[in-house]
Amino acid sequence: NAGVTQTPKFRVLKTGQSMTLLCAQDMNHEYMYWYRQDPGMGLRLIHYSVGEGTTAKGEVPDGYNVSRLKKQNFLLGLESAAPSQTSVYFCASSYDAGSYEQYFGPGTRLTVT
Amino acid sequence: AQSVSQHNHHVILSEAASLELGCNYSYGGTVNLFWYVQYPGQHLQLLLKYFSGDPLVKGIKGFEAEFIKSKFSFNLRKPSVQWSDTAEYFCAVKSGNTPLVFGKGTRLSVIA
Repeated sequence: NAGVTQTPKFRVLKTGQSMTLLCAQDMNHEYMYWYRQDPGMGLRLIHYSVGEGTTAKGEVPDGYNVSRLKKQNFLLGLESAAPSQTSVYFCASSYDAGSYEQYFGPGTRLTVT
Repeated sequence: AQSVSQHNHHVILSEAASLELGCNYSYGGTVNLFWYVQYPGQHLQLLLKYFSGDPLVKGIKGFEAEFIKSKFSFNLRKPSVQWSDTAEYFCAVKSGNTPLVFGKGTRLSVIA
């Protein structure tokens, strides 16, 4: 049982390049989330999904797109990377949106130059 | 919109000192409350959580938190910190089906 995994762990992009971050969970969780973590800002929700085929915007969705084609995977895309998107990205999942805790992945450190 | 405030950005303590980290939230309805910890270079892990019942919640590694509804607070405590408690601590609040809302975090540095 691997829990929540993220690939890649590190990435450096040039401004304007695109990339996709992959999150996978093997806990059969319905809900999945993408956060970004910046110094002094805590974790801010980018997008989330309440089930396969669904997505919703979080607090800071601009510049990102997501897809949840399979229940176990949640992809985060950057179409045209900007230096402001330099951050650490965490994926999380939970059984539902009620009282269940969220389980976090190890993070992806992205630098946009 | 719901918000979570953590009053201390950085706390520095000596080993064996007592710890209390403040957390206040803005939502007035039924809430679920969490404290997560992030050790250097690692991902977030759950320390403890409150859903209902006894407002004093005990978590892992000797941590506890007290839910005071009248003060909209969920402060984290530990009687005696260790060097290994050096980490960033995040309070988070959940109400209904809305996503978890995190505070900005408090960095704890424990010195020998």
